[in-house]
Amino acid sequence: AQSVTQLGSHVSVSEGALVLLRCNYSSSVPPYLFWYVQYPNQGLQLLLKYTSAATLVKGINGFEAEFKKSETSFHLTKPSAHMSDAAEYFCAVSGRDSSYKLIFGSGTRLLVRP
Amino acid sequence: KAGVTQTPRYLIKTRGQQVTLSCSPISGHRSVSWYQQTPGQGLQFLFEYFSETQRNKGNFPGRFSGRQFSNSRSEMNVSTLELGDSALYLCASSVERTGELFFGEGSRLTVL
Repeated sequence: AQSVTQLGSHVSVSEGALVLLRCNYSSSVPPYLFWYVQYPNQGLQLLLKYTSAATLVKGINGFEAEFKKSETSFHLTKPSAHMSDAAEYFCAVSGRDSSYKLIFGSGTRLLVRP
Repeated sequence: KAGVTQTPRYLIKTRGQQVTLSCSPISGHRSVSWYQQTPGQGLQFLFEYFSETQRNKGNFPGRFSGRQFSNSRSEMNVSTLELGDSALYLCASSVERTGELFFGEGSRLTVL
């Protein structure tokens, strides 16, 4: 069965510092991988997705993630944090079948200090 | 292009009642899925509909049900509400097989 593990329920960085949010997946075959962001009282917004093209995926708002099959990881990074990045981030995986079911990680809340 | 629209945004019910939530997907999207979000359990898949057929179902009791109409709009129903059903219910629509979902802002249900 597929699963996703996000290390760290809370991550705190200073404005301008590197953002690194960790995600590891468990899947028998390379899945589709996603990062979503959720701002307070809102739904989820797709940041980026990996679908087996380039292993380094660039998303919106300056975020990117690298798919590493050997490490079964899909960590999210941003070179310089902005106050507006404060939100909750979810890593998710889906199978390469006709199902649109996503399995989400438990989420990481990003705090950005001025 | 309008996004996914969910109604109502907020509602309060009492135990034992039933509730119906509505979701209008992005125009042209034929797949609609539902997720429950709670602080304790996180985001959990409820079910997914495609062309009026339920294609996938999560591990929830039969009190949770849904349907999809010919115009792709979807509803989910929870009967005999329990306190633990208090949650944010998110609807998402999709057009591609890659699983990219577009989420609505959710319906926040409080059960007293």
